[in-house]
Amino acid sequence: GENVEQHPSTLSVQEGDSAVIKCTYSDSASNYFPWYKQELGKGPQLIIDIRSNVGEKKDQRIAVTLNKTAKHFSLHITETQPEDSAVYFCAASISPESGGSYKLIFGSGTRLLVRP
Amino acid sequence: DAGVIQSPRHEVTEMGQEVTLRCKPISGHDYLFWYRQTMMRGLELLIYFNNNVPIDDSGMPEDRFSAKMPNASFSTLKIQPSEPRDSAVYFCASSRQGSQPQHFGDGTRLSIL
Repeated sequence: GENVEQHPSTLSVQEGDSAVIKCTYSDSASNYFPWYKQELGKGPQLIIDIRSNVGEKKDQRIAVTLNKTAKHFSLHITETQPEDSAVYFCAASISPESGGSYKLIFGSGTRLLVRP
Repeated sequence: DAGVIQSPRHEVTEMGQEVTLRCKPISGHDYLFWYRQTMMRGLELLIYFNNNVPIDDSGMPEDRFSAKMPNASFSTLKIQPSEPRDSAVYFCASSRQGSQPQHFGDGTRLSIL
């Protein structure tokens, strides 16, 4: 089945710097890749997602890139702020039309700390 | 709009007891997902429903776990009998369509003593 690996497990950056989190997936049929932010005591909150027919997507300070050939996708956060500190999860899924289901397979998470 | 609502937020009980977790999805969402989060296994899907019908229950650990969705606005996840290894945070999520983003509730933190 699908497997998603996420790196690094922890990331510490200075406020204002950029942060990059990377994920790789195993099944080339995966076609949906969301990123979630989880704060302490809260549920995961969707921050951005990308589908396999797109190579890059941007929303203000957040961007996601997808390389289908290499089977990896990355989250880029620019001009980081202390409120960006949280755990970030990548995920992948294969649509039923491609032989999967709508279940999300999550990476193991990256704890991001933005130092003021 | 109200998000996904889960209850209780915290549950502490002794092993062997029955546990029932509840979820109210976002109105108009046809898909409902139950996930479990632990340090060892991370976030993993247990089961999901489409229009109140279970579609994929391959993640349900064993027969002690059961889930129901009697109507479009309510779902339960039941553990009977509970065991200490069931201790985890259980999340419910919903989406308007299967291909649309899943929105998570704030979870139920379950501790089995």
